[in-house]
Amino acid sequence: GIQVEQSPPDLILQEGANSTLRCNFSDSVNNLQWFHQNPWGQLINLFYIPSGTKQNGRLSATTVATERYSLLYISSSQTTDSGVYFCAVPSMDSNYQLIWGAGTKLIIKP
Amino acid sequence: DAGITQSPRHKVTETGTPVTLRCHQTENHRYMYWYRQDPGHGLRLIHYSYGVKDTDKGEVSDGYSVSRSKTEDFLLTLESATSSQTSVYFCAISERGGSHNEQFFGPGTRLTVL
Repeated sequence: GIQVEQSPPDLILQEGANSTLRCNFSDSVNNLQWFHQNPWGQLINLFYIPSGTKQNGRLSATTVATERYSLLYISSSQTTDSGVYFCAVPSMDSNYQLIWGAGTKLIIKP
Repeated sequence: DAGITQSPRHKVTETGTPVTLRCHQTENHRYMYWYRQDPGHGLRLIHYSYGVKDTDKGEVSDGYSVSRSKTEDFLLTLESATSSQTSVYFCAISERGGSHNEQFFGPGTRLTVL
């Protein structure tokens, strides 16, 4: 089945810094989602991005489907950006299952 | 934000007791999912539903059953809770299935089985 790898596993930054999180996937996908799990455990949809680039405020994401990766950019980090960022792609074996990366744990220090 | 609520949000129960978790959506989405999240395992699919009364098993369905009698509600039941079912449970919904399904998650239920 499809494999999803995220890097780096952990990232510690000062408030105001920029960051780039990466998601690699082993096979062609029709969609990719980025999520933020905040320190209270809530899973928040960030982007649904099968290909191309999308922006939402200080966050943007780019998926290059032909090269099987996606990048999540966070600019001018704030402490509220802390948490774990996951990417997920649809399974090749199931119409309903998502295959999840292990996540990048981001800590933004004030 | 997608209109998804879960109840209860926290529950402590004893081994062997039945437990039912409820997911309620106001989006009229066809597809609903139950996941569990455990350290070191990420999110794992328990069961899903592709319509009223239409459900199927996910990758970790043993010990769990589900029911969906109306579009807006998806119930997860632990017939006889065990300590290995201590976890955080998330409900999700999507408008479409297949490879284009975009899932939105509820706030989660933290279940502790003593």
